[in-house]
Amino acid sequence: EPEVTQTPSHQVTQMGQEVILRCVPISNHLYFYWYRQILGQKVEFLVSFYNNEISEKSEIFDDQFSVERPDGSNFTLKIRSTKLEDSAMYFCASSRMDSGNTIYFGEGSWLTVV
Amino acid sequence: DAKTTQPPSMDCAEGRAANLPCNHSTISGNEYVYWYRQIHSQGPQYIIHGLKNNETNEMASLIITEDRKSSTLILPHATLRDTAVYYCIVRIVNDYKLSFGAGTTVTVRA
Repeated sequence: EPEVTQTPSHQVTQMGQEVILRCVPISNHLYFYWYRQILGQKVEFLVSFYNNEISEKSEIFDDQFSVERPDGSNFTLKIRSTKLEDSAMYFCASSRMDSGNTIYFGEGSWLTVV
Repeated sequence: DAKTTQPPSMDCAEGRAANLPCNHSTISGNEYVYWYRQIHSQGPQYIIHGLKNNETNEMASLIITEDRKSSTLILPHATLRDTAVYYCIVRIVNDYKLSFGAGTTVTVRA
């Protein structure tokens, strides 16, 4: 069964450093997403991406965040200058454009900022 | 902006059916009901979705009331591996995001 894959599974970074989280969405999917979950809190939407541009973003997705599809298979989330409060599990997801547009999630990248 | 109401927790005996309720009294005609679950801190796993008809797949059944104001997710034979947080989410068909609430923590006991 096709799945969304994410790397790394866990990353520890110093505050102020740049971090890139990588994702390979399901191959025939056209919409890509990033969500995050701070420990003990709800899963929160960050951004959606379609046709090489952001289609929607939340208030959390400020100027320190960016997304990119650098090639035909990868989708990345960059955090320019990490803060302690960026420590969270980051989930990549993807979906097709059919009826119901079911969103499928990867297993997550756990980011710890120290 | 919660559109759904779920009990915070419930227990279920292994091998028995688990019936998870969800209220969505303000649902609109173009909104689907989606169910996901999250095991430990893994990525949310899609279970099933429906608009107005009952749905069944290999994982579960979804029963939506005729007025669409509530639904029930049924896990027919719960196993210990079904222990997870279950999320009921209402979503417009062309809305490219999901709004997660707190969900129901389901514990399957041997």
